[in-house]
Amino acid sequence: SAVISQKPSRDICQRGTSLTIQCQVDSQVTMMFWYRQQPGQSLTLIATANQGSEATYESGFVIDKFPISRPNLTFSTLTVSNMSPEDSSIYLCSVVRQGASSGTQYFGPGTRLLVL
Amino acid sequence: AQTVTQSQPEMSVQEAETVTLSCTYDTSESDYYLFWYKQPPSRQMILVIRQEAYKQQNATENRFSVNFQKAAKSFSLKISDSQLGDAAMYFCAYRSPSSGSRLTFGEGTQLTVNP
Repeated sequence: SAVISQKPSRDICQRGTSLTIQCQVDSQVTMMFWYRQQPGQSLTLIATANQGSEATYESGFVIDKFPISRPNLTFSTLTVSNMSPEDSSIYLCSVVRQGASSGTQYFGPGTRLLVL
Repeated sequence: AQTVTQSQPEMSVQEAETVTLSCTYDTSESDYYLFWYKQPPSRQMILVIRQEAYKQQNATENRFSVNFQKAAKSFSLKISDSQLGDAAMYFCAYRSPSSGSRLTFGEGTQLTVNP
């Protein structure tokens, strides 16, 4: 499996501010995803990060709130903008390795965000 | 739309015993993949096991095995010789090639292992 790191691992932020989360992979991957996991809930897909183009967002998520960048095949960022307490969640990135016909996703360690 | 259902919010097992976690799914597709992920208190999502729908043989990974019943759309996870480190939230997930690599997750089952 790919080695995936996320920064920061956790943060406490004030409402109205923005936080950028980084996801770094140790090898080139075909696909990168961003998920949100609210307290006590399952994972919800925010968007697919597309290399060199705009991310593909799921229903209920918009670019203005969750801008995503993916400048190359090993790195992506997710920004949580104009935060409110409802944004308090764990944010996880995941990747699909090149050549993985099963599309198996491997996850980063997650970023715990608390918004006050 | 595909849905994944885990009907057991919580399960418990004695150390060294065997436990089975249930998962059912709804799909009209014939080609798909099923996964079990484990999420310990660290919140890291760890792949436990994967099953390709076209394979009749149930997948196994050491102490972890699945009972895949395609007609019944059932995909249960059996953990043998349970260890304290198996305590975690377990998520069942579905992927259809027609939806790219998008995963649909169940709501999760919290497994407690009693010493």
